[in-house]
Amino acid sequence: NAGVTQTPKFQVLKTGQSMTLQCAQDMNHEYMSWYRQDPGMGLRLIHYSVGAGITDQGEVPNGYNVSRSTTEDFPLRLLSAAPSQTSVYFCASGVRDLTDTQYFGPGTRLTVL
Amino acid sequence: AQKVTQAQTEISVVEKEDVTLDCVYETRDTTYYLFWYKQPPSGELVFLIRRNSFDEQNEISGRYSWNFQKSTSSFNFTITASQVVDSAVYFCALVENTGNQFYFGTGTSLTVIP
Repeated sequence: NAGVTQTPKFQVLKTGQSMTLQCAQDMNHEYMSWYRQDPGMGLRLIHYSVGAGITDQGEVPNGYNVSRSTTEDFPLRLLSAAPSQTSVYFCASGVRDLTDTQYFGPGTRLTVL
Repeated sequence: AQKVTQAQTEISVVEKEDVTLDCVYETRDTTYYLFWYKQPPSGELVFLIRRNSFDEQNEISGRYSWNFQKSTSSFNFTITASQVVDSAVYFCALVENTGNQFYFGTGTSLTVIP
């Protein structure tokens, strides 16, 4: 049981490039979400999904896309990277919704030059 | 306005001392959930506790204990006999039953000095 996995662990992009951060969970959780963590700001919700085929925006969705074609996977796409997207990104999953305990992946440290 | 306030930005204690991390929250919901997470220097987020608003009993888990007081909207976390491995950033978080938002505090950085 790997829990929540994220790849890559580190990534450097140039402004304007696109990329996909991968997230997978093997706990059969319905709820999955993406957060970004910036110094002094705690974690902020980017997008979330309450089940396969269903996604919605969180607090800071601009510049990011998500899809949920399977229960296990919830990739986060950066459409055109900007320096303001330099951050640590965490994926999380919970059994049913946000009121359940959320289990976090190890994080992806992204730098946009 | 901040939904979750962790006023202590940084705390340093000497090993074996007790330390309390404060968390004050704000909500109008009668049903809500409070969490604590630990983020060690390695960066991952480790779940510590989940508490719903109807359960005001204090909880103890080994050296960790939590004091939930609805009257003061606080959910404080105490580490007894601190150890170097407790050095980390600790986050308090709130989820309201009516919302779909995870409100994190800005974290308290704890350093335990050997």
